[in-house]
Amino acid sequence: EAGVVQSPRYKIIEKKQPVAFWCNPISGHNTLYWYLQNLGQGPELLIRYENEEAVDDSQLPKDRFSAERLKGVDSTLKIQPAELGDSAVYLCASSWGRGSDTQYFGPGTRLTVL
Amino acid sequence: DAKTTQPPSMDCAEGRAANLPCNHSTISGNEYVYWYRQIHSQGPQYIIHGLKNNETNEMASLIITEDRKSSTLILPHATLRDTAVYYCTLISNFGNEKLTFGTGTRLTIIP
Repeated sequence: EAGVVQSPRYKIIEKKQPVAFWCNPISGHNTLYWYLQNLGQGPELLIRYENEEAVDDSQLPKDRFSAERLKGVDSTLKIQPAELGDSAVYLCASSWGRGSDTQYFGPGTRLTVL
Repeated sequence: DAKTTQPPSMDCAEGRAANLPCNHSTISGNEYVYWYRQIHSQGPQYIIHGLKNNETNEMASLIITEDRKSSTLILPHATLRDTAVYYCTLISNFGNEKLTFGTGTRLTIIP
């Protein structure tokens, strides 16, 4: 069974440019998460979807970050415009349900903003 | 704020058991203890979880104290591939909760 798929794995852009990350969760998983991981830190939740509904986006910087999961399957996270401080690893995870259901993570996208 | 406390680093000899402690003194009755690990340049990998009872799977064992205020992850026969950052996290089974990762324990397996 395929795990969580993310693309691209690496992205280098100049500041003020837009960037987008894509995630395809494990088949059948209804809940999808986007996390941000800074160097030397643990992942921090940005947004959580249950099917196509964003049920927790309290940590998403909405002035420049946006996300969508239109059909309740794959998802895109966008940053526009990117800033130097956005350099980090962006992780996607999915779980069958909510709450304490086990979350499975993708390999992440490492973003470097120059 | 992380609800768990872990030592920042540990070493373990290859072939020996690695015992990773975690304190979660403010754990509530409906919170599970989850352990993940993250090998360099990869996403976090699920290891094991538990609520009250000790648990064992093909990767590890989880020992939770009777008062549930601390737990220990045991890797019975550590190999070099077990070198990683290990995260102990809590999550409620009532939804609307998120995994909150601290800085974890960097485990280094020594040949």
